[in-house]
Order: sequence, then structure tokens, then C-alpha cells
Amino acid sequence: DGGITQSPKYLFRKEGQNVTLSCEQNLNHDAMYWYRQDPGQGLRLIYYSQIVNDFQKGDIAEGYSVSREKKESFPLTVTSAQKNPTAFYLCASSPRGHPNYGYTFGSGTRLTVV
Amino acid sequence: QQQVKQSPQSLIVQKGGISIINCAYENTAFDYFPWYQQFPGKGPALLIAIRPDVSEKKEGRFTISFNKSAKQFSLHIMDSQPGDSATYFCAASETSGSRLTFGEGTQLTVNP
Repeated sequence: DGGITQSPKYLFRKEGQNVTLSCEQNLNHDAMYWYRQDPGQGLRLIYYSQIVNDFQKGDIAEGYSVSREKKESFPLTVTSAQKNPTAFYLCASSPRGHPNYGYTFGSGTRLTVV
Repeated sequence: QQQVKQSPQSLIVQKGGISIINCAYENTAFDYFPWYQQFPGKGPALLIAIRPDVSEKKEGRFTISFNKSAKQFSLHIMDSQPGDSATYFCAASETSGSRLTFGEGTQLTVNP
């Protein structure tokens, strides 16, 4: 079945540590997105990519980095510069490089700082 | 950033009742208005979507009403069931854009 796979489901990070969240899709979608979800704050866009080897900052990109070396993969690194990284992270994809055809979301990664 | 304002933040409805969630937008270039449903610990899933050439779209118990002049759209859940308890997000985008703009979300609880 086609879909988006996010891993791991749960991740714990120590202070000062970089961690990478994986997002893989087999939907042949061009665009991929990373969102952060905090209680009561909805979905905030971190980064997005419409084609391979290109990506743009979203609304809350500080402390995060991404790469898009393959169409299927869009990993997110949460760096030590992100002061409050505890949140639920969601990856999404859409066909044809823009969202009017709908997003497909992964099941999310819950990141906790310990 | 173009905003989409969603209300209420939370909603409690009795089983069999009608749940109504409202959204308002500013950008008149928006031409795609989806609703997403999210269960705890899961990613959102597309529920129903509408484009501005129609004023209403119905899929089963879920209906979107769209008022272009008021720049508002709403989700109606008829005969609400406990299994409908979830967080609902409205969103909007434009054909020339590159992203969906989401509302803040509504946590719906349907009591048995």
C-alpha cells in the first residue's frame, strides 16, 4: 500500500544533541512537508520541498534543517539550536508540487527532551 | 502569513446531535478548502474538501458549507457519534501557492 512512513514513533533527545527524524513516501509525490504540532497550536510549517535538491523555510525553521536528495525521502534534523523541541512532528506529501490535490500525512514522531 | 481562523477551540456534543465547526479566511485567492480529521497519536487524514464554485458538498454525515462573499466555510457533522471524537482542522490553499494554511484545530467530543 502507498503511504508515508515516519520513524521512529517515539524519540528522546538529550540536551545539546542533534536528532534526525525520518520520512519516506512511496506515493510518487513531488512535494513534501514537515509540521510541528503543539497542544492547542495547530500545525506549524517547519520546511517544505517541492522538488528534489530544493527546499524552503516555513514559519518556524529556526533550529531545524532538512535535505531532499531523493524524491522519496525528506529527513528532518532537530539541532541543539532548537530550544524547545518537545513536540509531535508530522511529515506530509502532496502530488504535483502544490497542495490543491490534498496532503497525505504520516503517523508522526513524538520527540521528547530528557 | 495568510491566516485561517477556526472556532470553536473545543466542542462537546451529545450522540446524535449536530457538530458545527467554523472557519474564516482572508486571502481571496484561496481556491481549495479541505477539512482534516486527527485521532490522538495519529496524523491528520483528509475528510472532505470543497472548491469555491459550489456552496455545499456532502459526503455521508459530513457536509461543508461555503460562503464565498463572507469568506467563511464550515463543517457540519450530522448524527454525531462517539467515534467522531477527534481534532478537526480546516485548511485553505491557492492554486499558485505551495502550501496549505491550517486553522488552529477544534477538539470534538461526542458523548454517548
